[in-house]
Amino acid sequence: QVTLKESGPALVKPTQTLTLTCSFSGFSLRSSGVRVSWIRQSPGKALEWLARIDWDDDKFYSTSLKTRLTISKDTSKNQVVLTMTNMDPVDTATYFCARSSTTYYGAFHVWGQGTMVTVSS
Amino acid sequence: EIVLTQSPGTLSLSPGEKATLSCRASQNIFSQYFAWYQQKPGQAPRLLIYGTSTRATGIPDRFSGSGSGTEFTLTISRLEPEDFAVYYCQQYGSSIGTFGHGTRVEIK
Repeated sequence: QVTLKESGPALVKPTQTLTLTCSFSGFSLRSSGVRVSWIRQSPGKALEWLARIDWDDDKFYSTSLKTRLTISKDTSKNQVVLTMTNMDPVDTATYFCARSSTTYYGAFHVWGQGTMVTVSS
Repeated sequence: EIVLTQSPGTLSLSPGEKATLSCRASQNIFSQYFAWYQQKPGQAPRLLIYGTSTRATGIPDRFSGSGSGTEFTLTISRLEPEDFAVYYCQQYGSSIGTFGHGTRVEIK
């Protein structure tokens, strides 16, 4: 069974760096075609795709946020980490990680439950 | 970056009615890289349709997807009480994924 779970601080101060961890089971990021993405959703707003890392360590970022984002993986720990610098109150959101694969043409077929992050001083 | 525009913003219908949700892309999308998701309050989104028209595992056949190029449609043939939710379209063919802003399907 494929599962993902996000973890990280619930509260960060403006200008701080946010570090989120996606811990997963039931698959390996060494497997060809597997990808993990981060998506966020501000309260009452739409989904916003942030970043993706592939089995071959290719990385892709949202155009509007790419200067602030870094995505990485630790295949030995089955984790994907997202860092976002210079946090602002507008970054308050629920952050999800999700698995995709070429089997599903890249669609996000398994999601974590999400972790809520509030940016406030 | 490809922009997805969903319409209508809100759809008010009764159980048993047919729902038709639209998503328009700012440029052509390869059909295999288009998906629809359902989201209920307090939950993560759930994949409904991928590759424009393929239902994900466990999705009932009252949900269907169609379209090509820049115009895509999600149809719910007969609304069940559990179908009232927000629906998002998404493209992921450009390596930079984007979502639409969602269509809320509410009980009339």
